[in-house]
Amino acid sequence: QLQLQQSGPGLVKPLETLSLTCTVSGDSINRRSYFWGWIRQPPGKGLEWLGNIHYSGDTYYNPSLRSRLTISVDTSKNQFSLNLRSVTAADTALYLCARLESIEVRPDVFYHYGMDVWGQGTTVTVSS
Amino acid sequence: DIQMTQSPSSVSASVGDRVTITCRASHDISNWLAWYRQRPGKAPELLIYAASRLQSGVHARFSGSGSGTDFSLTITSLQPDDFATYYCQRANTFPLTFGPGTKVDIK
Repeated sequence: QLQLQQSGPGLVKPLETLSLTCTVSGDSINRRSYFWGWIRQPPGKGLEWLGNIHYSGDTYYNPSLRSRLTISVDTSKNQFSLNLRSVTAADTALYLCARLESIEVRPDVFYHYGMDVWGQGTTVTVSS
Repeated sequence: DIQMTQSPSSVSASVGDRVTITCRASHDISNWLAWYRQRPGKAPELLIYAASRLQSGVHARFSGSGSGTDFSLTITSLQPDDFATYYCQRANTFPLTFGPGTKVDIK
């Protein structure tokens, strides 16, 4: 059974880098039909898609965060990570990792079904 | 980018009621739409993908319909676990924007 286990600090100082890791167990991250991604939810607000990565290394980011966000994958450890630089209080949120099931509609062109497996979530507070 | 809207923003209902939530995309996304349920303090759960396909393990009281720009999620016979917030998400190409959510609470 596929599981996603998140790790990383719950408190980050302003202007520092928020780093989280999601470790995949129960299946390989090297599956062509899946992307791996991050979503966040500020307190009392809705879901915000942050970005996705394919095991090949292809990445896709929320345009509003592109300049501060890096998502990476380590296939040898079966995990992927998020780094968000120069954080402020506005980055305080519940951060979630998830698997995105996809279908290749044309060579190297993927459309998506949905995020079918989720991590447990990490509440990150940005404060000095 | 494609924007997603949902209506209503909240709805009050009772156990056993039928509830319908709508989602609109600002541009045609064919049937590439997903629906999620998020119970308080929990991660979201995928309910419907490709606008109308029921995710494995999800109860058949959930159904989805629509294509192009207009979509709906219907819950027949609302259960206690269904008092939650529901989100739609475009799923054709990145960025995978979520709708703002619809909260279903107890009347």
